[in-house]
Amino acid sequence: KQEVTQIPAALSVPEGENLVLNCSFTDSAIYNLQWFRQDPGKGLTSLLLIQSSQREQTSGRLNASLDKSSGRSTLYIAASQPGDSATYLCAGFSSNTGKLIFGQGTTLQVKP
Amino acid sequence: DAGVTQSPTHLIKTRGQHVTLRCSPISGHKSVSWYQQVLGQGPQFIFQYYEKEERGRGNFPDRFSARQFPNYSSELNVNALLLGDSALYLCASSRTSGRLADTQYFGPGTRLTVL
Repeated sequence: KQEVTQIPAALSVPEGENLVLNCSFTDSAIYNLQWFRQDPGKGLTSLLLIQSSQREQTSGRLNASLDKSSGRSTLYIAASQPGDSATYLCAGFSSNTGKLIFGQGTTLQVKP
Repeated sequence: DAGVTQSPTHLIKTRGQHVTLRCSPISGHKSVSWYQQVLGQGPQFIFQYYEKEERGRGNFPDRFSARQFPNYSSELNVNALLLGDSALYLCASSRTSGRLADTQYFGPGTRLTVL
């Protein structure tokens, strides 16, 4: 059974800090991994998608990496801003199951 | 282009009732998938449809059903509602082959409350 785990569950940082969100998965047949942002009570916004053949993707202040051998992905946020406050979810697509499996999310608060 | 749209935005039902949730994908997207997100947890996959055919089903009871129409919009139906069905129901669409590996674009969700 594929499981996706996100640590920490919650994180509070002062504005301007660089931070790393972690995502681990148990299924070695993961095809790709997606990072999403979710604001309270809202839907999900796709941030980055990393194919299994890639090691990282970048978009603005966001950088996501994928290490299939260790079953880990990280989302790096540079120079955090209060507007970055949200829940960040990672989701792995498994070639075994053909399903998209989500972690429980990390809720980030960036304090001014 | 408009994003994924869902209706209604909020819904209150009582136990035992039936509910229908609707989703319109981004124009040109042929795949629609449905997710249930209970408060404090990540979304759980319910169904995926591509070209009007079911492509995948999650671990949900038969009370949950869905369909996709010729214009690629979709309905999620839930019968005999239970208190535990209270959740945010999310719809996502994708452009290409219908695999969930493609970038998923999510709608704002329908908040269902079962009393």
